[in-house]
Amino acid sequence: QEKVQQSPESLIVPEGAMSSLNCTFSNSASQSIWWYQQHPGKGPEALISIFSNGNKKEGRLTVYLNRASLHVSLHIRDSQPSDSAVYLCAVSPPQGGRALIFGTGTTVSVSP
Amino acid sequence: EAAVTQSPRNKVTVTGGNVTLSCRQTNSHNYMYWYRQDTGHGLRLIHYSYGAGNLQIGDVPDGYKATRTTQEDFFLLLELASPSQTSLYFCASSGQNSGNTLYFGEGSRLIVV
Repeated sequence: QEKVQQSPESLIVPEGAMSSLNCTFSNSASQSIWWYQQHPGKGPEALISIFSNGNKKEGRLTVYLNRASLHVSLHIRDSQPSDSAVYLCAVSPPQGGRALIFGTGTTVSVSP
Repeated sequence: EAAVTQSPRNKVTVTGGNVTLSCRQTNSHNYMYWYRQDTGHGLRLIHYSYGAGNLQIGDVPDGYKATRTTQEDFFLLLELASPSQTSLYFCASSGQNSGNTLYFGEGSRLIVV
C-alpha cells in the first residue's frame, strides 16, 4: 500500500519568512501529488497539485516534485499569520481511482 | 462553490450503540468518500463510492458500513460502535468537473463512551 510521510511534524516561522514542508511517497508511479490546508475545526482544502517532475508556482506557493527521489516539497513565500494551519500531502495511487492517500500533516505556526 | 454538508457535527454514543453519519454534496460529483482523522494517523480512507448504489472498500473498513443512496447522499453506519471508533469523520466529493479535487465537509466528531 502506498505510504506518505511528511516532515517536519511542526514548524514555527516568523511572519514574512519562507515556510518549507517536505513529503515522501513510496511509489514513483503515483499519479498527482496534492497539498491540502486544514484550519482548526475545518475540513481540508486543496491548495495546489503537481503531476510532472519539476516545479509549479501559484501565487506565494511553489511545489517541487522529484519522482526519482520520491520527494515533493511545498514552499510558502512571505508567510502570514493566516497561513497557520495543518498542511497535508496526498497522492493519487498508481492503480487509478480518485481516493487520495494522505500523510499525517505538518503543523505550521506563523508568529507575527 | 462546491458544497459538502455533514450531519451531525457532534455525536456522543455508548459502546454498542448505532450511529449514522450523513453527507450530502451539491457539486454534481460522481465520487464520494468517508475518511477518519486521528492524531498520529492523519486521514484514513474508510469507504468510497463511484455513484448511486456503488460502494468501494477503503483502507480501514472494519466496523463500518456505507451506503450511497443517490448521487448526492452518502451515509456511514456504525452498527456496534466501539471506543476505537471515537474520531473526527470527514466526507468528501470529487468529480471530473472539479479536476478531481477533493472537496471536504466540515467534519463530524464522534465520541463513543
